[in-house]
Amino acid sequence: AQKITQTQPGMFVQEKEAVTLDCTYDTSDQSYGLFWYKQPSSGEMIFLIYQGSYDEQNATEGRYSLNFQKARKSANLVISASQLGDSAMYFCAMRENAGNMLTFGGGTRLMVKP
Amino acid sequence: AAGVIQSPRHLIKEKRETATLKCYPIPRHDTVYWYQQGPGQDPQFLISFYEKMQSDKGSIPDRFSAQQFSDYHSELNMSSLELGDSALYFCASSSSPRVPYGYTFGSGTRLTVV
Repeated sequence: AQKITQTQPGMFVQEKEAVTLDCTYDTSDQSYGLFWYKQPSSGEMIFLIYQGSYDEQNATEGRYSLNFQKARKSANLVISASQLGDSAMYFCAMRENAGNMLTFGGGTRLMVKP
Repeated sequence: AAGVIQSPRHLIKEKRETATLKCYPIPRHDTVYWYQQGPGQDPQFLISFYEKMQSDKGSIPDRFSAQQFSDYHSELNMSSLELGDSALYFCASSSSPRVPYGYTFGSGTRLTVV
């Protein structure tokens, strides 16, 4: 079974609007961490935001916020006030307690329209 | 701030040749991770090292080997290259295997096997 599922292969959003990128995960660990990364066309992997499984507050980093719903096992990324530079591939990833590696979802390609 | 340095940025090799990718972690980071991202794929964990010892192993082919040196830099050695090895290879580092924010990725090495 997929550990990280991103159901939106591609999305369009109008500049200045907010957009939500979906991520659901599957783990039996009590302690785990969830990450979102941005990968522009240049290829580098840019860290955006992190949520720990025991964090009660949703993580926020500037225009990025993580809508963490533990019971539903979802960790959606919300980007407010989209900018043209936000056009990129976005990956959700999880680190489980059992190991140190990240498991990535299939990614969502976001395209911001002017 | 110093980031994770990977070299070379691009590499073209022929089938059956050997390639060596290098990763220089952020200063004082003692844990290094290697990932492989095929075209249109999500990154897949290969292997990690903590304090110069292998700490986790993922889907790394037997033709590949890696090590971490006394200065904490790491090298991924790939032999008998196949066309399917063409991918973006990421290295990431963290200050310990258990730091949730730990992952900082390098810009990647793009390997093309012809």
